Amino acid sequence: AQKVTQAQTEISVVEKEDVTLDCVYETRDTTYYLFWYKQPPSGELVFLIRRNSFDEQNEISGRYSWNFQKSTSSFNFTITASQVVDSAVYFCALRRNNDMRFGAGTRLTVKP
Amino acid sequence: DTAVSQTPKYLVTQMGNDKSIKCEQNLGHDTMYWYKQDSKKFLKIMFSYNNKELIINETVPNRFSPKSPDKAHLNLHINSLELGDSAVYFCASSHLPNTEAFFGQGTRLTVV
Repeated sequence: AQKVTQAQTEISVVEKEDVTLDCVYETRDTTYYLFWYKQPPSGELVFLIRRNSFDEQNEISGRYSWNFQKSTSSFNFTITASQVVDSAVYFCALRRNNDMRFGAGTRLTVKP
Repeated sequence: DTAVSQTPKYLVTQMGNDKSIKCEQNLGHDTMYWYKQDSKKFLKIMFSYNNKELIINETVPNRFSPKSPDKAHLNLHINSLELGDSAVYFCASSHLPNTEAFFGQGTRLTVV
């Protein structure tokens, strides 16, 4: 069975602080895909990144970076120099074929 | 040019009623999903369809019946609505086997 764990329910930081959102996954498959989504207060789900199980390269996109480590089954997400607009619920997800499972989400609040 | 569109956006109804939520995607994707997001923001997969064929039915009560008339549409019909059905329902679509899912804007269902 597939499972995604986001142990941090809520995180609160002050603007310009760096913050890391943790994601740990479980799967017996060798081929799978990992994702991060953002859900701002407006409610829509916004895709941020996709990673396949064969690509452990870390990725950076502006202030966002992702650290994928198969050895620890983790796919962590770091926001550098956080901004108030980063306040949202962030979801990590694991997909194999037609089955896409989400973690419980981490609510990030960035205070000015 | 909405990629995944759901209607209605809001639905308020009384217990015991039957209601439907429609979903259409214009992305040419072959896989469509329904997710339920509860008040704690937990996103739970309900159904997954691939080319109009039901692939995942995640222990959802029989009162929920998805219908996929064609690859671009996946509607959700709910019979005998209960208070506990109140939630935000998201439709999504993706390509097999590895791409991200694109989500509709969600339908907030309130059962009173």
